[in-house]
Amino acid sequence: DGGITQSPKYLFRKEGQNVTLSCEQNLNHDAMYWYRQDPGQGLRLIYYSQIVNDFQKGDIAEGYSVSREKKESFPLTVTSAQKNPTAFYLCATKNRDKNTGELFFGEGSRLTVL
Amino acid sequence: AQKVTQAQTEISVVEKEDVTLDCVYETRDTTYYLFWYKQPPSGELVFLIRRNSFDEQNEISGRYSWNFQKSTSSFNFTITASQVVDSAVYFCALFPSRLTFGEGTQLTVNP
Repeated sequence: DGGITQSPKYLFRKEGQNVTLSCEQNLNHDAMYWYRQDPGQGLRLIYYSQIVNDFQKGDIAEGYSVSREKKESFPLTVTSAQKNPTAFYLCATKNRDKNTGELFFGEGSRLTVL
Repeated sequence: AQKVTQAQTEISVVEKEDVTLDCVYETRDTTYYLFWYKQPPSGELVFLIRRNSFDEQNEISGRYSWNFQKSTSSFNFTITASQVVDSAVYFCALFPSRLTFGEGTQLTVNP
């Protein structure tokens, strides 16, 4: 099946621990994105990557890190520096050949920090 | 700067009622795209429609219709004869260079 796979779907962690959320795609899309969703605040961009080995900060990058070693994968690490990490995290991809802005989304990962 | 405003945080209707979700946007770009996405309880955002800034024709797809008015910077979404399966969060989004989302409208359709 073609698509975007995020794992885990639910994750519980203690305060102060780093956690890594996985995002894998087989759509052959160059661009990948991480968004954070909080109730009543819509989606906010954390990091994005237009091409392998390159990534850019979004609007709320503090306390997060990413890597893009393979086209298919764009993992997000929520570090202990992130002050309020409990949220729903969405990964998305885009076909750069079609610069119309349309994003394809994974099913999300819900992180709860206890 | 670009911004998308969805003034309605929550809407609740009874099945078969028509409902309109409002979206107002701000951008200095003359070329841009507007989107609506649906987020059901499962969490994944589902693409509904894309409209470019040069095409102000309204569009209808089944029970869904969209009204794009450049003069008022609005891109409203109407569901006709709503159904329980329409219950979801709906996001409007703007793309001149990067996709910017509104805050979403939680639609609940009651039987």
